[in-house]
Amino acid sequence: EAGVTQFPSHSVIEKGQTVTLRCDPISGHDNLYWYRRVMGKEIKFLLHFVKESKQDESGMPNNRFLAERTGGTYSTLKVQPAELEDSGVYFCASSQGSIAGAHTDTQYFGPGTRLTVL
Amino acid sequence: GDSVTQMEGPVTLSEEAFLTINCTYTATGYPSLFWYVQYPGEGLQLLLKATKADDKGSNKGFEATYRKETTSFHLEKGSVQVSDSAVYFCALSENQFYFGTGTSLTVIP
Repeated sequence: EAGVTQFPSHSVIEKGQTVTLRCDPISGHDNLYWYRRVMGKEIKFLLHFVKESKQDESGMPNNRFLAERTGGTYSTLKVQPAELEDSGVYFCASSQGSIAGAHTDTQYFGPGTRLTVL
Repeated sequence: GDSVTQMEGPVTLSEEAFLTINCTYTATGYPSLFWYVQYPGEGLQLLLKATKADDKGSNKGFEATYRKETTSFHLEKGSVQVSDSAVYFCALSENQFYFGTGTSLTVIP
């Protein structure tokens, strides 16, 4: 069974440019999460999809970030325009299970996308 | 709000040494607790978890006990190996996941 994959593994862009990160969850997992780790700090929750619907987007930092999950399969996270403070590692995770139990289910993480904004 | 505090690293140990990585949490309800591990170049993997007070999670020689009275979930291993070198994250799950800052462990032969 393939794990969670993320693309690209690294991205270096200039301030003001646009970047789109992609996550392919484990097949059949309804729950998809995005997290971000800024250097040396904790991994912070960004948002949670259940199938194609945004269940919780309370962690999204501002309206420069847009996440989509069309068709309930893969997800994209677009940052437009990127700022210096957006640099960090963006993790995607997926889990299987009911909405009620989603937050106690094991989450399977991808390797992350390292974003550097210059 | 909910939060997780874990000991800062980096931690360097000799092979076969005893490992403890401290983790304490703050939560409004009754969260589930997790330890995740990130090996170099890989994503986070679940190491162990506990879903209620006094539960002990264990895997690969690691263990952690959910202590409600001290709001702690310390990770321990009796004898570390070089292959245990990684970054370890403590996390809790209530209405969403909250992670600690991660503790880098290096085990030297």
